[in-house]
Amino acid sequence: GQNIDQPTEMTATEGAIVQINCTYQTSGFNGLFWYQQHAGEAPTFLSYNVLDGLEEKGRFSSFLSRSKGYSYLLLKELQMKDSASYLCAVREGTGRRALTFGSGTRLQVQP
Amino acid sequence: EAQVTQNPRYLITVTGKKLTVTCSQNMNHEYMSWYRQDPGLGLRQIYYSMNVEVTDKGDVPEGYKVSRKEKRNFPLILESPSPNQTSLYFCASSGTGGVTGELFFGEGSRLTVL
Repeated sequence: GQNIDQPTEMTATEGAIVQINCTYQTSGFNGLFWYQQHAGEAPTFLSYNVLDGLEEKGRFSSFLSRSKGYSYLLLKELQMKDSASYLCAVREGTGRRALTFGSGTRLQVQP
Repeated sequence: EAQVTQNPRYLITVTGKKLTVTCSQNMNHEYMSWYRQDPGLGLRQIYYSMNVEVTDKGDVPEGYKVSRKEKRNFPLILESPSPNQTSLYFCASSGTGGVTGELFFGEGSRLTVL
């Protein structure tokens, strides 16, 4: 089984940088995903890490340390539209290809 | 357009009245799954299917059934709904062609059981 922890809520200012942390415990790690979910909408894929290090994609970056069971999502140049929940999800090294999700971090971007 | 389509999007029903939530994907994905999302609990997997005629339980399967007779469709069946099944339901699919194997989600079905 898996245990995934991330902060419940965060607040940041438009134009700033925010880091959302995720820690996990798993018996067989096979990838970590970050999803964005606006209220009442479906989650949409943001990033994927399977090896240690930083993956950058525009204003969003994601970091992974497998030895520490730790990841973060970094959002730069925050915009009001970035107000959403950010879901950390881990895939175990089985054939299921299922993702186990954390409870999500609700980010509020203020003017 | 590549998508996962769920119906109905919104439904209010009463305890014990059987209902089916349909899910269809047009991406030829082998893997399909159902999740429910509840405040403070995040997304929890109900059932999943690795391919046609292959289904298995997720973390919270009680009170639900599924079938996978065709590759594109994966309906979720509530034989006798109860109020604790009031939730937001998401169908998702993924294929083997992509680099990451990420899940693609439907728009969600909000179910209320009275």
